[in-house]
Amino acid sequence: GNSVTQMEGPVTLSEEAFLTINCTYTATGYPSLFWYVQYPGEGLQLLLKATKADDKGSNKGFEATYRKETTSFHLEKGSVQVSDSAVYFCALKTSGTYKYIFGTGTRLKVLA
Amino acid sequence: NAGVTQTPKFQVLKTGQSMTLQCAQDMNHEYMSWYRQDPGMGLRLIHYSVGAGITDQGEVPNGYNVSRSTTEDFPLRLLSAAPSQTSVYFCASSQLQGAIGGNTEAFFGQGTRLTVV
Repeated sequence: GNSVTQMEGPVTLSEEAFLTINCTYTATGYPSLFWYVQYPGEGLQLLLKATKADDKGSNKGFEATYRKETTSFHLEKGSVQVSDSAVYFCALKTSGTYKYIFGTGTRLKVLA
Repeated sequence: NAGVTQTPKFQVLKTGQSMTLQCAQDMNHEYMSWYRQDPGMGLRLIHYSVGAGITDQGEVPNGYNVSRSTTEDFPLRLLSAAPSQTSVYFCASSQLQGAIGGNTEAFFGQGTRLTVV
């Protein structure tokens, strides 16, 4: 079945460090891919998305590229800030379904 | 804009009690869903609805009921609370048109933290 695998956290970085959070997926067909972010005490909100192979989603300095050949959608940011501390979820949705499949989430902690 | 509103934010129940978690959205979204979030397990779908009068089960429906009498509201009922239902519950909504195409954004409420003792 469809699934999403994320790197386990927590990930702890110093401010201005480079961030990578790995995400790989298994899906039939051609899924759309998403990164959602959950700040402390809040619900999830969409960070970025990509709907087809080689698309790059970007928002707030974060980027992720839809790699069909490696079934990956890794999240990157060149210089993290304390305010980026949150839990990040990778997710997919396949054509013909209304349902999201979420990864387990990766907690990021950025230290000043 | 209110978006998706969940109440209550926190709740403690005794084993065997019943309660209803409320979810309301003001975006006229057809699709609504309930997830539970547990450490190390991500978000798991409990129930979902594609419109008023239509509901279906997700991957972990046991012990929960839902109904959808209006487009705006999608309450989740715990019939007889058990400690295994201790979790954080999220309601989400999205537009249905285009949802099958796969790229419709989901909007989440702030969550309800439920503890069953």
